[in-house]
Amino acid sequence: IVLTQSPGTLSLSPGERATLSCRASQSISRSYLAWYQQKPGQAPRLLIYGASSRATGIPDRFSGSGSGADFTLTISRLEPEDFAVYYCQQYDNSPYTFGQGTKLEI
Amino acid sequence: QVQLVESGGGVVQPGRSLRLSCAASGFTFSTYGMHWVRQAPGKGLEWVAVISYDGSRKHYADSVKGRFTISRDNSENTLYLQMNSLRVEDTAMYYCAKDPGFWSGHFDFWGQGTLVTVSS
Repeated sequence: IVLTQSPGTLSLSPGERATLSCRASQSISRSYLAWYQQKPGQAPRLLIYGASSRATGIPDRFSGSGSGADFTLTISRLEPEDFAVYYCQQYDNSPYTFGQGTKLEI
Repeated sequence: QVQLVESGGGVVQPGRSLRLSCAASGFTFSTYGMHWVRQAPGKGLEWVAVISYDGSRKHYADSVKGRFTISRDNSENTLYLQMNSLRVEDTAMYYCAKDPGFWSGHFDFWGQGTLVTVSS
């Protein structure tokens, strides 16, 4: 399953709302889609699993939605620490695949 | 708290072998599936391999199948990745990652990674 993320780069300011898209080449059953955040020099961190469930310790300004082949990560009000690269990942079928990433920059 | 610490990376010539290790702590290692995920310099993430909680089932990305072997020692709380016939395109940061279940296919905790550079 090929995942295509858009936009490639998103330029916003703190306090604004961010909407990141992830489109799959085929329908992902059971909403087996996750989102990760990666900051420079760090390992990725799980944000969302099951398309809409927040991982432990993730602030509620992060939310996930979608089903089938179209999914969205929304950050309701950007904090300075949210500027990073975001990846979606499907785990419906092996090989488990990632999108190419969206860079969220100030 | 969950900790995953990778080791074993380094510079190696094409065609040679390397074994990566991942020491796990802070959770019951023997009850969770484990994965390796890699990231080439400046690139995105690529899933490499998964092993079931008891080591009985394994699965690989096509790009490494037949060259890499994932294994685990539950008595030592350690995950391994044996990498043979290394290629320049295997150059990447290798992360071990914990599955939140037996084998769900996503990753709730990650190590900090170990860098493998394949170069002549």
